[in-house]
Amino acid sequence: DAKTTQPNSMESNEEEPVHLPCNHSTISGTDYIHWYRQLPSQGPEYVIHGLTSNVNNRMASLAIAEDRKSSTLILHRATLRDAAVYYCILPSRLDTGRRALTFGSGTRLQVQP
Amino acid sequence: GAVVSQHPSRVICKSGTSVKIECRSLDFQATTMFWYRQFPKQSLMLMATSNEGSKATYEQGVEKDKFLINHASLTLSTLTVTSAHPEDSSFYICSASGGAGTQYFGPGTRLLVL
Repeated sequence: DAKTTQPNSMESNEEEPVHLPCNHSTISGTDYIHWYRQLPSQGPEYVIHGLTSNVNNRMASLAIAEDRKSSTLILHRATLRDAAVYYCILPSRLDTGRRALTFGSGTRLQVQP
Repeated sequence: GAVVSQHPSRVICKSGTSVKIECRSLDFQATTMFWYRQFPKQSLMLMATSNEGSKATYEQGVEKDKFLINHASLTLSTLTVTSAHPEDSSFYICSASGGAGTQYFGPGTRLLVL
């Protein structure tokens, strides 16, 4: 399974954009890039996913490098509620056809007021 | 997004007792659910994959006789921690599979075994 590499932690100021990087140099052509986040004492929350093209939704944007070996999650205006651990994951396919998530250590984002 | 609930949200039990945790998908049918465990200051670790109508698939190192999983319907999976011990104290989280690898997570169940 392809692995991802993320910085352990990042800091941001409230109301400023945040760019969270992820390297996945061994990604295969069919691997989707998923991002989840986990707030303290809660289950993870789906943020966004993409395959090749950049993606936008109400929570964030996902910028995918042309060679797909890296991606960046973009929070356009960080709020205190965005303080969480962000996970970049390439789901692996199970025998059933479903895909499982393997969580790494993620990036702990701190947002300063 | 899809909603997944877990019950109970927290439980305290005595060593040697069994604890059942329920995971429900509230607004969609889930043929596959996943159970994770998270110790303090660590990441989530996949314990098992729960498949509706068939046996669960356990990850390496997870005892299937200790962590019993039942996925009797398309909206309910249960995890029973049998003969719980203090080292089983952890944050247990379930998720239900959506499409293209997307998973919708429950809020988690915090288990404390005394």
